[in-house]
Amino acid sequence: KAGVTQTPRYLIKTRGQQVTLSCSPISGHRSVSWYQQTPGQGLQFLFEYFSETQRNKGNFPGRFSGRQFSNSRSEMNVSTLELGDSALYLCASSLGYSDNEQFFGPGTRLTVL
Amino acid sequence: EDKVVQSPLSLVVHEGDTVTLNCSYEVTNFRSLLWYKQEKKAPTFLFMLTSSGIEKKSGRLSSILDKKELFSILNITATQTGDSAVYLCAVNSGGYQKVTFGIGTKLQVIP
Repeated sequence: KAGVTQTPRYLIKTRGQQVTLSCSPISGHRSVSWYQQTPGQGLQFLFEYFSETQRNKGNFPGRFSGRQFSNSRSEMNVSTLELGDSALYLCASSLGYSDNEQFFGPGTRLTVL
Repeated sequence: EDKVVQSPLSLVVHEGDTVTLNCSYEVTNFRSLLWYKQEKKAPTFLFMLTSSGIEKKSGRLSSILDKKELFSILNITATQTGDSAVYLCAVNSGGYQKVTFGIGTKLQVIP
């Protein structure tokens, strides 16, 4: 069974630009969660989608948005990039229920200059 | 606000030592506690604990949850250099996949 895939793996942008990251979950998984990982803050929850609906949302500004498609693939968009948005963005997929573990993708390393 | 605190933040041990990593939490509507291992890539799942006092084991790793005192420990016996990684504790609360992570414990095992 193929794992979670994320594209692109690396990205360099400048302040003010916007970026779209993509995540393809494990086949059969309907839940996709997004996390931001930085050395100082650890893994912070952005949002979770299940069957094309956002079910949970973390404490991030509205510049961070996402969506999920009918095939469960998900995209995350960050607009008006700031230097502090430089981070590893991880997505995780699961079957979607509270007793299901999440499986992580390799992440997208975003650098904002 | 849900909170997960791990200690120590970092640890250096020699091969063969036994280590205990700690995780305490304050969350509303606890559902499960999870442990992950992260090397220079994506976190990989180790354990999920939902019931107090039930030890989960996998080889040299084991974990137990205390829901009354709101903490969990991860034990690694006979450590090997391949155990060097960041160990993440996370709590699923509020239903579905609302997961809060601790900042992690960085373990370094030296030969």
